Amino acid sequence: DAKTTQPNSMESNEEEPVHLPCNHSTISGTDYIHWYRQLPSQGPEYVIHGLTSNVNNRMASLAIAEDRKSSTLILHRATLRDAAVYYCILSGSGNNDMRFGAGTRLTVKP
Amino acid sequence: GAVVSQHPSWVICKSGTSVKIECRSLDFQATTMFWYRQFPKQSLMLMATSNEGSKATYEQGVEKDKFLINHASLTLSTLTVTSAHPEDSSFYICSARTGDSYEQYFGPGTRLTVT
Repeated sequence: DAKTTQPNSMESNEEEPVHLPCNHSTISGTDYIHWYRQLPSQGPEYVIHGLTSNVNNRMASLAIAEDRKSSTLILHRATLRDAAVYYCILSGSGNNDMRFGAGTRLTVKP
Repeated sequence: GAVVSQHPSWVICKSGTSVKIECRSLDFQATTMFWYRQFPKQSLMLMATSNEGSKATYEQGVEKDKFLINHASLTLSTLTVTSAHPEDSSFYICSARTGDSYEQYFGPGTRLTVT
């Protein structure tokens, strides 16, 4: 399985942008890059996903490196409600399940 | 759209008894459902994958006779923890996927405490 590497934790100040990195050097050509986040005692929540091009939605932006070996989740203005564990996961054809790594615990300071 | 529910949200049972957890896709048909387990301060661990009408595929190290999974319809999967022990206490999370999508939609989780 293609694996991802993320920093264990990151801190941000409220209303500032946050860039959460993810390395996936063994990604295959058909793997999508998914980001989920999990608040305490809740199931994971979908954030964004992409294949090759950068993606934007109401929650975040996803910047994908040209060689696809890394990606960055961008929260444009962090709020206290964005404090969660963020998971970067690879999944696609031939690898239909989602396997979670340790993720990045984001702390947002007021 | 794409809502997945779980019932119950929490359950306490005595050691040696069995407990059933339901996972439902409320507004879509889930051809594949996944069951995860999460211990405190750890990540989610995939337990098994089930396709509607087929036997579940269990991950290595997960006892299929202890964790019975049934995916009898396109909107319902159940996980039964048989002869529960305190070490089975955990947060159980299901997710569902439609046949033509790589996206998974997660349920809110069920906290099981075995006393």
